[in-house]
Amino acid sequence: DADVTQTPRNRITKTGKRIMLECSQTKGHDRMYWYRQDPGLGLRLIYYSFDVKDINKGEISDGYSVSRQAQAKFSLSLESAIPNQTALYFCATSDSGTRLRPDTQYFGPGTRLTVL
Amino acid sequence: SQKIEQNSEALNIQEGKTATLTCNYTNYSPAYLQWYRQDPGRGPVFLLLIRENEKEKRKERLKVTFDTTLKQSLFHITASQPADSATYLCALSSASKIIFGSGTRLSIRP
Repeated sequence: DADVTQTPRNRITKTGKRIMLECSQTKGHDRMYWYRQDPGLGLRLIYYSFDVKDINKGEISDGYSVSRQAQAKFSLSLESAIPNQTALYFCATSDSGTRLRPDTQYFGPGTRLTVL
Repeated sequence: SQKIEQNSEALNIQEGKTATLTCNYTNYSPAYLQWYRQDPGRGPVFLLLIRENEKEKRKERLKVTFDTTLKQSLFHITASQPADSATYLCALSSASKIIFGSGTRLSIRP
């Protein structure tokens, strides 16, 4: 969905490096999410934010941190990358104010991260 | 713990037939169930949502059923086409929480 953008789209890094993945949205949604996707494991929630001052841990937050710089921006950081963080990372947004489609997720194109 | 199960094996269907995908869940009482489509290398795209008090929802060639007693949803694509080939994810949501299944890969052969 072009309304949700992620940078970079691909990244190869080394163990121990600090990495930041960025997400921007023009949908005007207040909720933003970070997921990782691994083969056979589906999408797992890392962190989510319901507004600029609200940050919550998801299912697998260890080793990650986030920052909600503005309503439209939500970044994910790996403070010291390790090989098992190699995965496809997705940012998503949802609109809490829509009664017809509660928590319907709008995903970005993904970032493929490889940690060597 | 809450668990969602989708067919782990890929589903291969002849073009024109109806494809049926299954989503089962345990230890959860979702208010809504959603289905998404994901193409290789891309983010999932929302298809349909069905509420706990609805038994069936349709959109063009798509039909979703939701049985809260069986804790199961079925996703049907009628008159399937090769362009329907993708991975389909189900997701359960209630209040502020949403969890995804691992998806079923569907291949439609001409």
